[in-house]
Amino acid sequence: AQSVTQLDSQVPVFEEAPVELRCNYSSSVSVYLFWYVQYPNQGLQLLLKYLSGSTLVKGINGFEAEFNKSQTSFHLRKPSVHISDTAEYFCAVSEGGRDMRFGAGTRLTVKP
Amino acid sequence: GAGVSQTPSNKVTEKGKYVELRCDPISGHTALYWYRQSLGQGPEFLIYFQGTGAADDSGLPNDRFFAVRPEGSVSTLKIQRTERGDSAVYLCASSSEWEGSYNEQFFGPGTRLTVL
Repeated sequence: AQSVTQLDSQVPVFEEAPVELRCNYSSSVSVYLFWYVQYPNQGLQLLLKYLSGSTLVKGINGFEAEFNKSQTSFHLRKPSVHISDTAEYFCAVSEGGRDMRFGAGTRLTVKP
Repeated sequence: GAGVSQTPSNKVTEKGKYVELRCDPISGHTALYWYRQSLGQGPEFLIYFQGTGAADDSGLPNDRFFAVRPEGSVSTLKIQRTERGDSAVYLCASSSEWEGSYNEQFFGPGTRLTVL
């Protein structure tokens, strides 16, 4: 069965600095990979996804992620963060597109 | 356009009581999912419906949890004899569905259940 590990529970960063949120997964088969964002009192919103093809995936709000099969990683990056990026970020893996397994989340706090 | 809606947004109940949580999926979406998100954790899969039938209920933690979707649209998650450990945010998601293709799951805002 697939699983996800988000290596940092909290990431504080100053506004306009770059950020990387780390995600590692385990699976015995090919997978789909996702990053979701959750703002306070709101539902999960899909930031980006990797299904196949190019390993560099671009998403909404200037985020991107790179799928690294040899390292089983799918780290999320943004070159310059804004206060409005403060939220909880979840990495998820799916072997069939339906049965998603989520990581525990990383709380990104952007400070002025 | 309406997204996935869930009612109530908050539910406080006492240990041992019965609760029902409702999910209204996006119109036309045939697939519906329930997840449970405990404090400090990511969402945990509970059950997946394709139409009216539960295609995968392997995530339901025990027989106190049950979900229905009688007309293939609205779904109700039912929890009997609630326990304090059931306190969590219950998320619903829906997606369109066809063979051989990935379909994005759209999430509702969740119902926060507190069992006292």
